Amino acid sequence: AQSVAQPEDQVNVAEGNPLTVKCTYSVSGNPYLFWYVQYPNRGLQFLLKYITGDNLVKGSYGFEAEFNKSQTSFLLKKPSALVSDSALYFCAAGGTGFQKLVFGTGTRLLVSP
Amino acid sequence: EAGVAQSPRYKIIEKRQSVAFWCNPISGHATLYWYQQILGQGPKLLIQFQNNGVVDDSQLPKDRFSAERLKGVDSTLKIQPAKLEDSAVYLCASSFSGPSYEQYFGPGTRLTVT
Repeated sequence: AQSVAQPEDQVNVAEGNPLTVKCTYSVSGNPYLFWYVQYPNRGLQFLLKYITGDNLVKGSYGFEAEFNKSQTSFLLKKPSALVSDSALYFCAAGGTGFQKLVFGTGTRLLVSP
Repeated sequence: EAGVAQSPRYKIIEKRQSVAFWCNPISGHATLYWYQQILGQGPKLLIQFQNNGVVDDSQLPKDRFSAERLKGVDSTLKIQPAKLEDSAVYLCASSFSGPSYEQYFGPGTRLTVT
């Protein structure tokens, strides 16, 4: 069965410092991996995805993600965090065919001034 | 480009009552999803439509939940009768066909069952 794990409930980082949010996945076949962000009282917003090709993918708002097949991980990164990046981040995984998208439990990112 | 529209935004009902949610997807998106997001958890897929056909409803509690997508555009999700554990945010999303496409989410409907 597909599964996604986000081992950190919360990540704290100072503004201007780099940030990393962890995600590991388990899917059959080649994975399709996504990061979404959720601000309070709003729906999820798409940040970036990995489908195939380069292991480093770039997305919205300066975020990027690193895909590692051997470690089945998909790390969300940003070189310099902003206070406005504070939100709830979800990793999601799907696969070939019509495998449904499975979401992790989310990681709250708190960027302090 | 207009986003995914949902209504109502908030709903409070008593247990055993019925409730319906409405979703209008992004124009041109053939795939529509309904998710349930319980506080502190990630979204859980309830049902996925491809045009007006059901692709996956394996996690839909069919004894009380129903959904339809008439004419392959708008969709409604109904709960009848509601239970306390149905209190959650119900998210609608849409995308182009295929699992590699990102989903676009509506603002959600926050349901409280008392």
